[in-house]
Amino acid sequence: LAKTTQPISMDSYEGQEVNITCSHNNIATNDYITWYQQFPSQGPRFIIQGYKTKVTNEVASLFIPADRKSSTLSLPRVSLSDTAVYYCLVGSGGSYIPTFGRGTSLIVHP
Amino acid sequence: GAGVSQTPSNKVTEKGKYVELRCDPISGHTALYWYRQSLGQGPEFLIYFQGTGAADDSGLPNDRFFAVRPEGSVSTLKIQRTERGDSAVYLCASSPVGGEQETQYFGPGTRLLVL
Repeated sequence: LAKTTQPISMDSYEGQEVNITCSHNNIATNDYITWYQQFPSQGPRFIIQGYKTKVTNEVASLFIPADRKSSTLSLPRVSLSDTAVYYCLVGSGGSYIPTFGRGTSLIVHP
Repeated sequence: GAGVSQTPSNKVTEKGKYVELRCDPISGHTALYWYRQSLGQGPEFLIYFQGTGAADDSGLPNDRFFAVRPEGSVSTLKIQRTERGDSAVYLCASSPVGGEQETQYFGPGTRLLVL
């Protein structure tokens, strides 16, 4: 199983760009990297998924270096509503079961 | 369209009682997953259904936990002889096919409190 490591918590302010980095040193060749967001009292919600280089959607960008041993979720110009827990998941070598760690608790301040 | 729904949203029961938690997946999704989430932790996998059958139940903690999905749609998670340690949020998710690393769509969860 590819294990992920990400900061337990981060603080930011409205309007700033937030970058959350996840380490996954033993990622397998066919593994994708997926990020979920979870608000209090809700289930996780898919944000973005990528394999290499850069992926961008209307919510975030995902940067993956060539060695794929880490990835960075970038949230542009955060607002108070971006306060949530963010989970980095890496495919488990063919498993359909995502393994969630503790995630990163992001708090956005006014 | 409608997302994944779970009922009840909250359940309070007494130690030793039996509880059932229901999940209505997104229509047409063949894969359904149950997770358990304790405070401050990420979701922990319990069981995965592909259609009507449990394809992987390796996450069920013991034989007090059981889940069914008789018609390949709605699923029920059943917990017998509840213990205080079963208190958690139980999350259900579904996905279209259940393929590797496929996006899962989660419901809001059922908050179970065992007194």
